[in-house]
Amino acid sequence: DAGVIQSPRHEVTEMGQEVTLRCKPISGHDYLFWYRQTMMRGLELLIYFNNNVPIDDSGMPEDRFSAKMPNASFSTLKIQHSEPRDSAVYFCASSLYRGNYGYTFGSGTRLTVV
Amino acid sequence: AQTVTQSQPEMSVQEAETVTLSCTYDTSESDYYLFWYKQPPSRQMILVIRQEAYKQQNATENRFSVNFQKAAKSFSLKISDSQLGDAAMYFCAYRTGGGSQGNLIFGKGTKLSVKP
Repeated sequence: DAGVIQSPRHEVTEMGQEVTLRCKPISGHDYLFWYRQTMMRGLELLIYFNNNVPIDDSGMPEDRFSAKMPNASFSTLKIQHSEPRDSAVYFCASSLYRGNYGYTFGSGTRLTVV
Repeated sequence: AQTVTQSQPEMSVQEAETVTLSCTYDTSESDYYLFWYKQPPSRQMILVIRQEAYKQQNATENRFSVNFQKAAKSFSLKISDSQLGDAAMYFCAYRTGGGSQGNLIFGKGTKLSVKP
């Protein structure tokens, strides 16, 4: 398996634009997580899915953020009306059976909003 | 709510020496899992080692081992025979063992430098 695949690796966008980040989890994994990493706040869970169903989205900072998982092999994180404070590295991770054996992370997307 | 604390923002070790990274956590649960992740400059998060709370035996993975003290809620990582490739950010993480909740809670990380 190629691991968790995220795209793009880097994204630079202007303030106010919409950005969509993509993730392909490991085949057979039933949990998918979106994390955001910043220097100030560290790694924060944004949302996670179990069997394509969103379980906890309490970490999504604002309504401008939304995530979908239309099928077991694809998820997106969309940020509307992007702002400079959204600049961060966004990680997708997947796991089997709630992650008792840990998560497998993608390489992350570095988002810069100018 | 569970919390994870890494009190050492930065650590340094000489190549071939041993270093220990500290991690404490706060929880009222008895069933949980603990992990150490490594994040090199490539930013890839790599699982180093895991510990199940119900197991008293400390986990080991080659040069990496943990000192798990459940009563003290401490989970330190020991790296033996440090190598230049060990230089990275190291994150301690906690995951509850019960219910359907699956998310990992991370500490702020410790930046490890390895001197040649």
